[in-house]
Amino acid sequence: GAVVSQHPSWVICKSGTSVKIECRSLDFQATTMFWYRQFPKQSLMLMATSNEGSKATYEQGVEKDKFLINHASLTLSTLTVTSAHPEDSSFYICSASLGTDYGYTFGSGTRLTVV
Amino acid sequence: RKEVEQDPGPFNVPEGATVAFNCTYSNSASQSFFWYRQDCRKEPKLLMSVYSSGNEDGRFTAQLNRASQYISLLIRDSKLSDSATYLCVVNKAGNTGKLIFGQGTTLQVKP
Repeated sequence: GAVVSQHPSWVICKSGTSVKIECRSLDFQATTMFWYRQFPKQSLMLMATSNEGSKATYEQGVEKDKFLINHASLTLSTLTVTSAHPEDSSFYICSASLGTDYGYTFGSGTRLTVV
Repeated sequence: RKEVEQDPGPFNVPEGATVAFNCTYSNSASQSFFWYRQDCRKEPKLLMSVYSSGNEDGRFTAQLNRASQYISLLIRDSKLSDSATYLCVVNKAGNTGKLIFGQGTTLQVKP
């Protein structure tokens, strides 16, 4: 089945630094990937839609200059959290789908802690 | 009003019990519906898609009522391993592929 690999699984960084998270589709091509964020005891919130070869589409309230998304190939999307602050600490998850009737496969998530 | 609403629980049930979770969604044009399971500090995993005709997968039964904009999940003969958070998920209208997640309902099955 469709497998999405996400790295790193966890990262601790200092305030002001940037962190890059990678999301790869291993056995299929994903022209579209989705990036979510989940704070403790809350639901997953869609941050942006990553489109291969074009600009990402950001949800309302998500700063595109802070959360940089690059989808340069059909199998790789990256999310870079720039100038991270403690309030950016969260669980970031990517997902992709083979089609809307097939459900969505999620990466294993990245737990980001900014100190 | 949230786009997808669930009772967060927790639901504490004994092994072998039958438990039902409900979910309502606000956008009548939503097209696809799913139940996902999320274990603590892990990514969500697809449990089952939900169809208007209702569908069953072993001990799990999902129902969709489009008129009432209501989705349900029934778990029979609960196992300890069923303990998790169950997420009601709806795709955004227009088949854009964007998923809207409910807050999740936590289930704790006790021996």
